[in-house]
Amino acid sequence: ELKVEQNPLFLSMQEGKNYTIYCNYSTTSDRLYWYRQDPGKSLESLFVLLSNGAVKQEGRLMASLDTKARLSTLHITAAVHDLSATYFCAVDIGSQGNLIFGKGTKLSVKP
Amino acid sequence: EAQVTQNPRYLITVTGKKLTVTCSQNMNHEYMSWYRQDPGLGLRQIYYSMNVEVTDKGDVPEGYKVSRKEKRNFPLILESPSPNQTSLYFCASSLWRGGAMNQPQHFGDGTRLSIL
Repeated sequence: ELKVEQNPLFLSMQEGKNYTIYCNYSTTSDRLYWYRQDPGKSLESLFVLLSNGAVKQEGRLMASLDTKARLSTLHITAAVHDLSATYFCAVDIGSQGNLIFGKGTKLSVKP
Repeated sequence: EAQVTQNPRYLITVTGKKLTVTCSQNMNHEYMSWYRQDPGLGLRQIYYSMNVEVTDKGDVPEGYKVSRKEKRNFPLILESPSPNQTSLYFCASSLWRGGAMNQPQHFGDGTRLSIL
């Protein structure tokens, strides 16, 4: 059974600090996606990672994929309050569009 | 405006009364998918479709049906709803090129279903 595990599940950060969210998965895949969800809202796509070594950056967020280690990271640089949200990773089993999501990391950035 | 539209947004109904949640996208996307979101369980994929007349089961398909007769529409059907299908449902779409969903998914605003 494919498992997608995110760590940590809850993260309280101070503004200006750096941190990394980890997404581990248990089967071979080279398709991984990151999403953001604000409370009471829908999901927003952040990053699409399609190959080993892929790195994408948008503002204070940077995502990477290591398919050999079955690990993706979402790195937050100099956090600001606006980044407070829940972040999900999702793995595409067999690259067929069958997505398995992690349980999400609830990020709270405090002044 | 590019969007994924779900209807209804909210529905309270009773066990056993068939219901359909519609999903429509205006971006000519090949890939469409349904998810349910439950506290503590995160998002789970119900069904997905890579093109017209092509659908496949996700993680939790039991109790649900879908159809993809047209590219833009992907309705979710609950033939005999039960209380354990009370949840928040999201529809999403994306391009499907070269054997991969290599573009971001666009999500609808969600449908909150309560089945009594």
